[in-house]
Amino acid sequence: AQSVTQLDSQVPVFEEAPVELRCNYSSSVSVYLFWYVQYPNQGLQLLLKYLSGSTLVKGINGFEAEFNKSQTSFHLRKPSVHISDTAEYFCAVSETGTYKYIFGTGTRLKVLA
Amino acid sequence: EAQVTQNPRYLITVTGKKLTVTCSQNMNHEYMSWYRQDPGLGLRQIYYSMNVEVTDKGDVPEGYKVSRKEKRNFPLILESPSPNQTSLYFCASSLKGTTYEQYFGPGTRLTVT
Repeated sequence: AQSVTQLDSQVPVFEEAPVELRCNYSSSVSVYLFWYVQYPNQGLQLLLKYLSGSTLVKGINGFEAEFNKSQTSFHLRKPSVHISDTAEYFCAVSETGTYKYIFGTGTRLKVLA
Repeated sequence: EAQVTQNPRYLITVTGKKLTVTCSQNMNHEYMSWYRQDPGLGLRQIYYSMNVEVTDKGDVPEGYKVSRKEKRNFPLILESPSPNQTSLYFCASSLKGTTYEQYFGPGTRLTVT
């Protein structure tokens, strides 16, 4: 069965520093991968997605993620964070041919001044 | 404005009293889904619908019902709510299936006493 692991529940980082939020998944078939962001008291918003093709995916707000099939990972990165990036970030996976999503438990990114 | 709306936004109820949380989208999306969000557990999919009259279980369907009689609406029904269904609920929709971006509603905070 598919599963998603976000190892870091909280990540504090100073403004303008780089950040990486880790996501690992488990599945026996091909998957689609997603990162969503949730700002306080709001619904989720798609940052980026990997469906196929190039393993480096660029999203909104300067975020990017790299799909690594051998390590079953899809880590999210940003070279320089801003205070406004403070939010909770969710990794999600969907197995191809299904209509189900599995979300990770989320990583709270706190950007410090 | 393209959006997913949920009602009510906040609800406090008692054990066993049937309730319905409505979800409506104005984007002509085929796919709709319900999630619950709990601290430390992330989002978990309850039910999803691929189109009118086509629904299927997500990971945590017990205690919930759904229906999809019209394309725009996807209500979540709790026939006999229990305290363990206290949670933050999100409805989401996408054009088709899981290769398209999901748009999330603002959430419904449900408390069952």
